[in-house]
This record gives sequence, structure tokens and C-alpha cells, in this order.
Amino acid sequence: QITLKESAPTEVKPTQTLTLTCTVSRFSLWSRGEGVGWVRQPPGKALEWLAIIYWSGDKYYGPSLETRLSITKDTSKNQVVLTIINVDPEDTATYYCIHRPSGFYSLDFWGQGILVTVSS
Amino acid sequence: QSVLTQPPSVSAAPGQKVTISCSGSSSNIGQSYVSWYQQVPGTAPRLLIYENNRRPSGIPDRFSGSQSGTSATLGITGLQTADEADYYCGTWDSDLSAGVFGGGTKLTVL
Repeated sequence: QITLKESAPTEVKPTQTLTLTCTVSRFSLWSRGEGVGWVRQPPGKALEWLAIIYWSGDKYYGPSLETRLSITKDTSKNQVVLTIINVDPEDTATYYCIHRPSGFYSLDFWGQGILVTVSS
Repeated sequence: QSVLTQPPSVSAAPGQKVTISCSGSSSNIGQSYVSWYQQVPGTAPRLLIYENNRRPSGIPDRFSGSQSGTSATLGITGLQTADEADYYCGTWDSDLSAGVFGGGTKLTVL
């Protein structure tokens, strides 16, 4: 089955840029109709959908952070990268990489998540 | 503030049945299938229900889903202590062109 693994620094300082990398296995980023994206969860709070990139290169962003996000994919490395600029302590969260299958919308595979703390 | 609305908590005794509601609008639940996710504390969410009422392989038939208009419901029968978790509904919102979630519902099996 598909596996997704997140990597990122565990701590970043306010105003810095956070780069999160998702490495996918047993799945190709060229798979028609499928996408890989990101969801985050601040400690003790609800899930927040951030962004997704599809096999075609189409990208979509959640409205609350849209101006600070950029999602890209490197098909040769089977990686999807999410960049968040100008972070602040409210960006402290567990970040999950997710897979969206083709067909109707759902998120069928999730990475284990990585906790990133924004602190000076 | 989540786009989809869920009750913060529900509870029931072992063996009983519980339902969790998820309310949205015409731009999300009203036109897109709903999925449900279970998150046991300290672990990643996992897909429980997709396309309103379909179960992925390995999910027992104690879990069911339904949708009507701009609302959806997750049902769990034969409650077990292992079902204690947070449950989230999710779907696509065509106005936002983004995925959306509910605020989550904490299930306590008394």
C-alpha cells in the first residue's frame, strides 16, 4: 500500500521559512487523477487542510494560509514539498502528508505526521 | 472556526450505538461526497468512511455513514472501548476550491 513520510526541522524561529517534505512510496506522482497534500493539527486542536498538488500539476490552497504557502512536486524523487513563509508560533502543529485517490474526494492514506514547533 | 460543524463530544456505553453529525452547506456537503476519519490520541487520522457510506478494506461494518442534503452522519454500533477517539468529517468545498474538515467530535465510551 501507499506510504507517505514527512520530514522537516522540528523547530524553526518566527519569521523564518518552513520547508516540509513528503516522500511517497508505492505510488507515482504521475498517477492520473491522484494528488498529494498537507493537513496540519495544532496541539489539542482540529485538523486544518492546507494544500494539495495533483498529478497534472494543478494546485489548490486552503484560504486561511494561501498567501504564505507554496506546494511543489519532484517526480524524480517522489517528493512533494510544502513551503510556509514567515512562520509564527501559531504555525506550531503536527503536519501530515496525505494522499487523495482518483475519483471522488477523500484522503485515503496519511503519513505519521511530524511535530514542528515555532519558537524563538 | 471549521467550515463543517460537528458536536464537540458524544458518549455512550459499551455495546450501544452512537451517531455523530456533520453539517455543511450547498458548496460542500451539498455537492460533494463526505468522508470520515478516526484519530486515536497520539496517532495519525485514518480513513473510516468515504463517498458518504463506503468503508475501506479492514473497517468493520459497525461503522456506517449517510448523507442528506447538506448534512452527513457517522454511525457506530456495538461500541467498544477501542472506539474512543476523535472523529472528523471532511469533504471538498467548491466555493473555496479546497478541502474542509469539521471541528472534530470526541467519542467517549463510558
